[in-house]
Amino acid sequence: QKEVEQDPGPLSVPEGAIVSLNCTYSNSAFQYFMWYRQYSRKGPELLMYTYSSGNKEDGRFTAQVDKSSKYISLFIRDSQPSDSATYLCAMSGAGNQFYFGTGTSLTVIP
Amino acid sequence: EAQVTQNPRYLITVTGKKLTVTCSQNMNHEYMSWYRQDPGLGLRQIYYSMNVEVTDKGDVPEGYKVSRKEKRNFPLILESPSPNQTSLYFCASSIGSAKNIQYFGAGTRLSVL
Repeated sequence: QKEVEQDPGPLSVPEGAIVSLNCTYSNSAFQYFMWYRQYSRKGPELLMYTYSSGNKEDGRFTAQVDKSSKYISLFIRDSQPSDSATYLCAMSGAGNQFYFGTGTSLTVIP
Repeated sequence: EAQVTQNPRYLITVTGKKLTVTCSQNMNHEYMSWYRQDPGLGLRQIYYSMNVEVTDKGDVPEGYKVSRKEKRNFPLILESPSPNQTSLYFCASSIGSAKNIQYFGAGTRLSVL
């Protein structure tokens, strides 16, 4: 079983829609949860970082962590064509290793 | 400008010919790491380093070597590349006290024939 599972999509939504991206994980030791955005032919860039359970909001982006269900989500409100990218979830525990999902490809249609 | 620089960006080589992919960061970060990205498998960690002369294996270290002789540099060495190492490679760095906030390089696309 993979440490982190992520629906690869692809996901296609109209501009202005609310987008929900999700990951599940199996390791209950994970404490740190990240979302990265990766544009085509570029390296990933950190979008959101959450420690433990709860919600975190940054502009149009909201990250949610439910440790009891081992489930994390990223919501994008008022999606824009510039949000078209691949979104990667990532996790780590108290150690120094990181585990990434396979990424969800998102296209926002004008 | 704060950045992680990888070289080369593209590389085609043949089986068994030793190669090195360089990674350099100008942010004085303690933590550095190498990943490979493959379709359907996502990003997988190869090696990481908490500081100079401190390196450790990630999930997929077989066939790779690393060294950390200087804080800013973290080269990835393939001593005898094989076709299954054809992949997109990323180097990343972060502050040791906030290693979860990683900055990635632009990637190196490697093809081993």
